[in-house]
Amino acid sequence: EVQLVESGGGLIKPGGSLRLSCAASGFTFSNAWMTWVRQAPGTGPEWVGLIKSETSGGAIDYAAPVKGRFTISRDDSKNTLYLQMNSLKTEDTAVYYCVHGSGWLDAWGKGTTVTVSS
Amino acid sequence: EIVMTQSPATLSVSPGERATLSCRASQSVSSNLAWYQQKPGQAPRLLIYDTSTRVTGLPARFSGSGSGTEFTLSISSPQSEDSAFYYCQQYNIRPLTFGGGTKVEIK
Repeated sequence: EVQLVESGGGLIKPGGSLRLSCAASGFTFSNAWMTWVRQAPGTGPEWVGLIKSETSGGAIDYAAPVKGRFTISRDDSKNTLYLQMNSLKTEDTAVYYCVHGSGWLDAWGKGTTVTVSS
Repeated sequence: EIVMTQSPATLSVSPGERATLSCRASQSVSSNLAWYQQKPGQAPRLLIYDTSTRVTGLPARFSGSGSGTEFTLSISSPQSEDSAFYYCQQYNIRPLTFGGGTKVEIK
């Protein structure tokens, strides 16, 4: 069974940094393309970015609102996905989900909440 | 980016009454369209991909159709447990984009 467990969320002031982690199990993580999706309160999901598997070149792509501020990375030896978030803004407040897949998104973690507020 | 528009915003149906949810894309997404269900406090759950392919174990009362820019999710005989938000999502072109959702209420 695919399991994705996010951690690292919390309350942070504008301009601050936070690193989210996602521990993956139940599938061959090193072969997987992985995605981060966020959802602000009362809104639909929003794609944040994806990272391809190393065997597919490991390319990374980001949504425009986070490009240059967020960095997605992976450690295949630890079956872990990361999202480094810098220069956080109030509009980054959301639940952040780690997701298996890059087109249709077939397995989601429970999410971790990030609140950016002074 | 491709804008996904869902209608109606809220749909209230009686058990056994067919529910039809619409999703429109601002440009063609071919058949690269998925549907998700989200209940309060939970993550979205994939229901359908490639417009009409149900995930394993999804009841047959859920069906998807369409192509290009117009898509439909139908629930043929909704049950109380189908009360939830439903989102469409295109994956034809990055950035992946989601619709604003339809809230389905079972009376």
